Amino acid sequence: QKEVEQNSGPLSVPEGAIASLNCTYSDRGSQSFFWYRQYSGKSPELIMSIYSNGDKEDGRFTAQLNKASQYVSLLIRDSQPSDSATYLCADFGNEKLTFGTGTRLTIIP
Amino acid sequence: GAVVSQHPSRVICKSGTSVKIECRSLDFQATTMFWYRQFPKQSLMLMATSNEGSKATYEQGVEKDKFLINHASLTLSTLTVTSAHPEDSSFYICSATRGGDYGYTFGSGTRLTVV
Repeated sequence: QKEVEQNSGPLSVPEGAIASLNCTYSDRGSQSFFWYRQYSGKSPELIMSIYSNGDKEDGRFTAQLNKASQYVSLLIRDSQPSDSATYLCADFGNEKLTFGTGTRLTIIP
Repeated sequence: GAVVSQHPSRVICKSGTSVKIECRSLDFQATTMFWYRQFPKQSLMLMATSNEGSKATYEQGVEKDKFLINHASLTLSTLTVTSAHPEDSSFYICSATRGGDYGYTFGSGTRLTVV
């Protein structure tokens, strides 16, 4: 059974610092990965997708993928209190998304 | 673009009754829709995948006779929780995709409470 694993946290980061979120996946054949943000009581919002090894940057967010290590990460620069949420890593394969359990991030003002 | 509407956002029902949740893609035709369930402090668990005009594919452990899914058109899928019980209380979320590299858009979710 395919697995996507994340540290559940909570992860606390001071405002303005870099938050680093990590994810590992079990299916070596997986090609696409997604990071979602979910606020309490709300549905997930897509932050970024990544398909190739290396880094992908979008504003304050950088996704990193290392297929050899089966590892995906998300960096949030200049963290803001509004970034406080649960971050879900998802692996796309067999026409469906498999989600990790999420990491709860708290940005401390 | 790519907006998915889901309603109701909240519903409270009595044990033993049925509840229908609707998921609509407003500005695109969704080839595939997905239904997830999320319990407090847990991740999203895929319940079933539905393609327009065909029977839904249910994940292992999900009772297809209890969670009825109808994907009658390219813009509408419904999930009916039949004979609901308190243990069915959860946050139900749909998502839709046009396929390919278009990604997945989530609905706003439905908080179901069975009393």
